[in-house]
Amino acid sequence: DSGVTQTPKHLITATGQRVTLRCSPRSGDLSVYWYQQSLDQGLQFLIQYYNGEERAKGNILERFSAQQFPDLHSELNLSSLELGDSALYFCASGQNTDTQYFGPGTRLTVL
Amino acid sequence: GESVGLHLPTLSVQEGDNSIINCAYSNSASDYFIWYKQESGKGPQFIIDIRSNMDKRQGQRVTVLLNKTVKHLSLQIAATQPGDSAVYFCAENTGTSYGKLTFGQGTILTVHP
Repeated sequence: DSGVTQTPKHLITATGQRVTLRCSPRSGDLSVYWYQQSLDQGLQFLIQYYNGEERAKGNILERFSAQQFPDLHSELNLSSLELGDSALYFCASGQNTDTQYFGPGTRLTVL
Repeated sequence: GESVGLHLPTLSVQEGDNSIINCAYSNSASDYFIWYKQESGKGPQFIIDIRSNMDKRQGQRVTVLLNKTVKHLSLQIAATQPGDSAVYFCAENTGTSYGKLTFGQGTILTVHP
């Protein structure tokens, strides 16, 4: 158990819909990172927040957004969902440039 | 550009053998490397890390070797066990990208009893 929690574990929705994925970092970690894992793209960095502020962006679509709240939990919002958004979404936490500890992931299925 | 790739997509070994998983990286500026293990249905699990000022680092049954000259990273697992069967990823962090990790494609390790 990494200490990072993610909810929900599974999410099934339809194209065009919007979903919110939630992540609680390990106690004491200020950074939260979001990654997408798909069969054809592997693990791809999406975005990082540090102590409530966006710190780095990867290949995150404009339909996707994230935020980190004062209690340091983070949410990843995915809108106008497409079939190709079906993937595993992982949250990781850590200090700014140190080891990242991953949560169990949310499996998103878009039908 | 930044990229991390693995030489071998699959590796099959017998229980008790030593395993070596390789990784090549292309970004000379990378200064921190991590190996993760991912079991089916789970998130990547931290195994061991190494900074660019080191050539070798040992953990419990695992050793990571870093060769900066040829931009190569390897993970050695001693006395491999069936529970080691998983996908192994190397990842790199340039240190200037605020913690963004770039992952390799992964190697599937299968340990036969």
